Amino acid sequence: DIQMTQSPSSVSASVGDRVTITCRASQSITSWLAWYQQKPGKAPKLLIYAASTLQTGVPSRFTGSGSRTDFTLTIKGLQPEDSATYFCHQANRFPYTFGQGTKVEI
Amino acid sequence: EVELLESGGGLVQPGGSLRLSCVGSGFTFSNFAMSWVRQAPGKGLEWVSSLNGNGDSTHYADSVKGRFTISRDNSQNTLYLRMNSLTAEDTAIYYCVKGWDGYCSTTSCSWLDQWGQGTLVTVSS
Repeated sequence: DIQMTQSPSSVSASVGDRVTITCRASQSITSWLAWYQQKPGKAPKLLIYAASTLQTGVPSRFTGSGSRTDFTLTIKGLQPEDSATYFCHQANRFPYTFGQGTKVEI
Repeated sequence: EVELLESGGGLVQPGGSLRLSCVGSGFTFSNFAMSWVRQAPGKGLEWVSSLNGNGDSTHYADSVKGRFTISRDNSQNTLYLRMNSLTAEDTAIYYCVKGWDGYCSTTSCSWLDQWGQGTLVTVSS
């Protein structure tokens, strides 16, 4: 199975800050990497797919980058509504796997 | 607007069975692969199972293989998950997830796009 390792597990930042979350795959997944945002009591929401493609309707302050094994989600200009847990996910091959999540606190 | 409405969760005893349902609307159901993903209370996400638009290509996590069965009825726009031999480790919110398109290869069903609100399954005596 492909292991997805996310860091940090939590981060506290202020409004307007830049936040960076990293995700490392245990083997190459080319660009089969997605990022999800989950708020308490809610379902995950797809933010970015194919490592760097922003899903429709997602604010441009979210950016994704990387390929093969190393990926990054960056939030530029953190907003109060960005308080959530973020998960990376590889869709390269079954079993699909997820990172353990990064809790972003404002 | 895409909507996914799960039902069928509840309290079940260890060793028991349950069938989850997910009704999709706002899209052509048969054109999309569908999946189930679960989340134990306070924990991360775990992929459970996926199937293609036709329902003839299914994939399972090792943790549920042989106990869970995914299926769909495209005439009713409904996805199912039959769960047998349930244990406490199966306690979780189960999310129904719409895929990116209808195709699944032997290794992937592409992206997990839109998620339902989930249904809680609790396995306890």
